Amino acid sequence: AQRVTQPEKLLSVFKGAPVELKCNYSYSGSPELFWYVQYSRQRLQLLLRHISRESIKGFTADLNKGETSFHLKKPFAQEEDSAMYYCALLYSGFQKLVFGTGTRLLVSP
Amino acid sequence: EPEVTQTPSHQVTQMGQEVILRCVPISNHLYFYWYRQILGQKVEFLVSFYNNEISEKSEIFDDQFSVERPDGSNFTLKIRSTKLEDSAMYFCASSTQYYEQYFGPGTRLTVT
Repeated sequence: AQRVTQPEKLLSVFKGAPVELKCNYSYSGSPELFWYVQYSRQRLQLLLRHISRESIKGFTADLNKGETSFHLKKPFAQEEDSAMYYCALLYSGFQKLVFGTGTRLLVSP
Repeated sequence: EPEVTQTPSHQVTQMGQEVILRCVPISNHLYFYWYRQILGQKVEFLVSFYNNEISEKSEIFDDQFSVERPDGSNFTLKIRSTKLEDSAMYFCASSTQYYEQYFGPGTRLTVT
């Protein structure tokens, strides 16, 4: 069955430190993976899609099919990066996103 | 930039009552979705809707739930007889195709 695992509920770092938010998936097909971000009291916003290979707000994520991972990285965290981050897998053909439980990133000054 | 909107932002209802949650998807989008998030849990898919019919639904989406696109702009989720366990944040989303779903701000449903 399709599943997304985000092992860390909370990741706390200092400003300027590198950040890696972990995401592992379980899916038998060809995965399409996304990172969504939810700032305090705001909507879920699409941050990254693995196919586009873009860098948004300094974040990048690489799909590693061998390790079934799609970790989100940023070399230097900023205070404004503090938010909930959700990894999501598109269950292709069924038009639904399967979300992980989310990781709260807290960047302290 | 166009956004998905949802009303109301917070709905309080008594157990057994019917509720209708409303969404206005982005205007040129063709696919519509409802998700929910019970407090402290993950975001869960409920239903997807395309071409005026349900294309996929989860096991959560039982006979108590229904969706409708009553006109060219609104997309609604109806819960016929609410239960305490229906208390959650309900998110509407839309997309041009079935990826890159754009989410609304959510409606917090509280069933007492």
